[in-house]
Amino acid sequence: DADVTQTPRNRITKTGKRIMLECSQTKGHDRMYWYRQDPGLGLRLIYYSFDVKDINKGEISDGYSVSRQAQAKFSLSLESAIPNQTALYFCATSDWTGAGTGELFFGEGSRLTVL
Amino acid sequence: AQSVSQHNHHVILSEAASLELGCNYSYGGTVNLFWYVQYPGQHLQLLLKYFSGDPLVKGIKGFEAEFIKSKFSFNLRKPSVQWSDTAEYFCAVRARGGGATNKLIFGTGTLLAVQP
Repeated sequence: DADVTQTPRNRITKTGKRIMLECSQTKGHDRMYWYRQDPGLGLRLIYYSFDVKDINKGEISDGYSVSRQAQAKFSLSLESAIPNQTALYFCATSDWTGAGTGELFFGEGSRLTVL
Repeated sequence: AQSVSQHNHHVILSEAASLELGCNYSYGGTVNLFWYVQYPGQHLQLLLKYFSGDPLVKGIKGFEAEFIKSKFSFNLRKPSVQWSDTAEYFCAVRARGGGATNKLIFGTGTLLAVQP
């Protein structure tokens, strides 16, 4: 089983619909992240959470919200999806503790298409 | 704010050719540096990382990267590429220390196509 699991893996929806992407991890990491990947733009950080009570905006948080339900779960919501939110979304975790490696471990990705 | 530049957006090589992908970052303080690889249809995986010590870092699958602090660079190299190296490669930087974000910032990626 994957250490970082994302659901759904693929989703097609219509403009204005609410969408939730879920992420769960079994690595025991405190830090979790949501990135979106667009061709030619690389990965851009949407939101990140350093623990259950800590949520922070990334580079491109407008139009998105997150919820850290537990240490192992971090969900991303699009309250009213729009076509330019069509992208590949990745959840990631890290064990950063100041002296740790800070390596990110990625989920398999969720491909979202907004029509 | 820190940023990462990958100047090669698309590279095409023949098998056995040597590879060098450029990565430059903007941050004057201490950094941690990473190269990730994304094979077609898969998620990102760590190739190698630099935290401190020897600036020449060796990673998996014969890849290596050299941190040159004076040039703010962390270029990825491989002496002889294989068809299976076809993938997208991302450089990433984390700024450390007071006032730094401690977030991992990615470059825009370099798509490598290796022809058999």
